[in-house]
Amino acid sequence: DADVTQTPRNRITKTGKRIMLECSQTKGHDRMYWYRQDPGLGLRLIYYSFDVKDINKGEISDGYSVSRQAQAKFSLSLESAIPNQTALYFCATSVTGGRTGELFFGEGSRLTVL
Amino acid sequence: AQSVSQHNHHVILSEAASLELGCNYSYGGTVNLFWYVQYPGQHLQLLLKYFSGDPLVKGIKGFEAEFIKSKFSFNLRKPSVQWSDTAEYFCAVKVANFGNEKLTFGTGTRLTIIP
Repeated sequence: DADVTQTPRNRITKTGKRIMLECSQTKGHDRMYWYRQDPGLGLRLIYYSFDVKDINKGEISDGYSVSRQAQAKFSLSLESAIPNQTALYFCATSVTGGRTGELFFGEGSRLTVL
Repeated sequence: AQSVSQHNHHVILSEAASLELGCNYSYGGTVNLFWYVQYPGQHLQLLLKYFSGDPLVKGIKGFEAEFIKSKFSFNLRKPSVQWSDTAEYFCAVKVANFGNEKLTFGTGTRLTIIP
């Protein structure tokens, strides 16, 4: 089983619909992140959370919200989806404590907004 | 804020050719540097990382990268590529401050290896 699990893996929706992408991890990491990947743009940070009570905006948070329900769960919501939110979304985790900096990624959630 | 540039968007090589992918970052302070790889249909995986010490770091699958501070560069190299190296490669940088775990990624380089 994957250490970082994302659901759904693929989703097609319509403009204006509310969408939630979920992420759960079994790595015991405190820190969790949501990135989106677009061709030619690489990965851009949407939101990140360093613990259950800590939520921070990334570089492209407009149109998104997150919820850290537990240490192991971090969900991303699109309140009213629009076509330019069509992308591949990745959840990632990392260990607290600076030395490693390594991110562990989920398999990705491909979202298409029509 | 820091930024990362990967000027090679798509590289096509034959098997056994040597590889060098460029990565430059902009930040005047101490950084940690990473290369991630994304094989087709898979999630990103860490290839190698630099924190301190020897500026030549070795990673998995025969890859290595050299940190040249004066050039703000962290280029990825492999002496002889294989078809299985076909993937997208991302360079990333992190400001080396405790509590700052955010990675900034480059736009990626797609590598295609021709058998």
